Amino acid sequence: DVKVTQSSRYLVKRTGEKVFLECVQDMDHENMFWYRQDPGLGLRLIYFSYDVKMKEKGDIPEGYSVSREKKERFSLILESASTNQTSMYLCASSLGGRVSGQPQHFGDGTRLSIL
Amino acid sequence: DQQVKQNSPSLSVQEGRISILNCDYTNSMFDYFLWYKKYPAEGPTFLISISSIKDKNEDGRFTVFLNKSAKHLSLHIVPSQPGDSAVYFCAASFQGGSEKLVFGKGMKLTVNP
Repeated sequence: DVKVTQSSRYLVKRTGEKVFLECVQDMDHENMFWYRQDPGLGLRLIYFSYDVKMKEKGDIPEGYSVSREKKERFSLILESASTNQTSMYLCASSLGGRVSGQPQHFGDGTRLSIL
Repeated sequence: DQQVKQNSPSLSVQEGRISILNCDYTNSMFDYFLWYKKYPAEGPTFLISISSIKDKNEDGRFTVFLNKSAKHLSLHIVPSQPGDSAVYFCAASFQGGSEKLVFGKGMKLTVNP
């Protein structure tokens, strides 16, 4: 079974802080994704990476950046946290190979609160 | 512009009956559709998918139906069980090897014992 592990289940930070959310997958997947989930808005894609050091903006990249230095690890960075970034953050991975319809496998999420 | 729509936010059914969850889409360039289930405090888990060249796919109690002309798909759960109570997301991927998914807003299913 694919295991996607997010480093923290709950995180509380202050406005203006630089925040790092870490995600590790153990199945040698090429693709990794960061989403945020908000009530009534579903899952919205923040950033996507299809290879080491490669990244692509999703639908809501403003205020975020990402880092993928190793294949198994994908980090989401909030450069200067703001209260509107309080949310549930979900990391996912998929096999890759430019094949559409591949299921993504999700971690259990990080509930981030910005005070 | 929402490309994948789950217009009903919630559904409540009795245990043992059928649950039907609906999803509409607007973009004819989608070629795969997927359903995910999400429990509180857990990540979504993949349930079942269907290619746009098919109109039905079945896996145990779960069946997905696709009506391309209506740009509509539905997930049927028969028989429904209390453990099926969760939020269900419909998702779609684009043709041409895109690995991104476009998600609907989700629908909360409650199965009452």
